[in-house]
Parts: sequence; structure tokens; C-alpha cells
Amino acid sequence: GAGVSQSPRYKVTKRGQDVALRCDPISGHVSLYWYRQALGQGPEFLTYFNYEAQQDKSGLPNDRFSAERPEGSISTLTIQRTEQRDSAMYRCASSLEAGGTVAGELFFGEGSRLTVL
Amino acid sequence: QKEVEQNSGPLSVPEGAIASLNCTYSDRGSQSFFWYRQYSGKSPELIMFIYSNGDKEDGRFTAQLNKASQYVSLLIRDSQPSDSATYLCAVDSDNTDKLIFGTGTRLQVFP
Repeated sequence: GAGVSQSPRYKVTKRGQDVALRCDPISGHVSLYWYRQALGQGPEFLTYFNYEAQQDKSGLPNDRFSAERPEGSISTLTIQRTEQRDSAMYRCASSLEAGGTVAGELFFGEGSRLTVL
Repeated sequence: QKEVEQNSGPLSVPEGAIASLNCTYSDRGSQSFFWYRQYSGKSPELIMFIYSNGDKEDGRFTAQLNKASQYVSLLIRDSQPSDSATYLCAVDSDNTDKLIFGTGTRLQVFP
């Protein structure tokens, strides 16, 4: 497809289970970002990649959260031992270039809504 | 202190009026400033970006930047009901690729 694709769109899991959220960016986009968005709030930065290199993971809440982008395209955000407070919309975005004036032009996917029971 | 601050609103304006949305940021090293629009239940989409002090106009939208005051605003002229959405201000973190978003201002344009 032409846009950023995220899967699953909806995920319901029990507390303590691991979840993996997938993001397929726009073809050729260098940068890939993960955000978390609570209802009524703006997107909260988690981490981002340029190509396969993780540039900044300062927004990951704790060591239960990790992300990878091994071949510089598809990325996976993994949450281990999920907790109820992890429930949120997880959004992936990609950008054509790293740095420069176009770097902030993010194209967002539809998001993965995670519910932890 | 939040890095990017916006009034959550809602800001209610009548159709045809000018809507003024404001944003302040804390990082003096920021160089790039963006406005995203997010309709209810949808993902954010970029509508404007500005890098230099002053005004930048694009159709009914004008972005204004004042780096000395660490202030960026978005004016929407001739507001339409279809402009009703949440407007997110986003700022780069110390001229890196990391983009920080505010909480957004909900705009309601009534007929």
C-alpha cells in the first residue's frame, strides 16, 4: 500500500502477556518513529530509527519496552509482561529523510490500539 | 515543565471567523515547528511547517513563529465546520529528528 501500515489494528491481551506491534513504513522512507497516544492527549514520543539504527529510545517508559528495525524497513515494538497502564493507541510514523527540513513531515499509520485486561 | 504546551480547549468559533491556536515550547535549540491536524478517531496529518521567524501563509492557514518568545501560532481564516478537529503543535528537540508534540487544542467551528 501507499501509506504506513500497522498491525494488528486492535489487540486485547491479559496482564503479563507479551505483545508485538508491527509497522510497515512508506516504501523508501528513511526514518521511522513510534509514538503512544492516550485519549485526549498528543502523541508521546517513544523511539525512532534512521534506517536500521535506533537513534533515540529515551521515550521508552521502561525496560519492558523495546523496538527494532533490523533491515531498515519494517519495525516491531515489543512490550513484555504487559500491564494495564500500557493500554493506549500506539502510532507509527515514517519520514522520507533523516534530518533537514523534511524530517518533521511525518506520515502516520492508523495505529494499534492495545487493551490490557 | 512540559516541552510543548497548548491550551486543550475546546476553542469554539463561528463559521467564517478566524481561529487562533497557540503553542509555546521550552527548548531554545528547536529549529523546526509543525502543525498537525487530527480528526476524531483518525491519525495526525501535517498541515503546516515553519522554520523562520515571522509568518508563513498557505491558503486559509498562517503559521507564525517568534523564537525569542518561544511561541508559535496557527491562524485559520474563514473557519469552516470541516476545520473542527484537534490541532497538534510539534517541535523538534534541539535540532534533532526527535519530534515532540503538545497535547493539542480542540477546535470547534459551529455553523
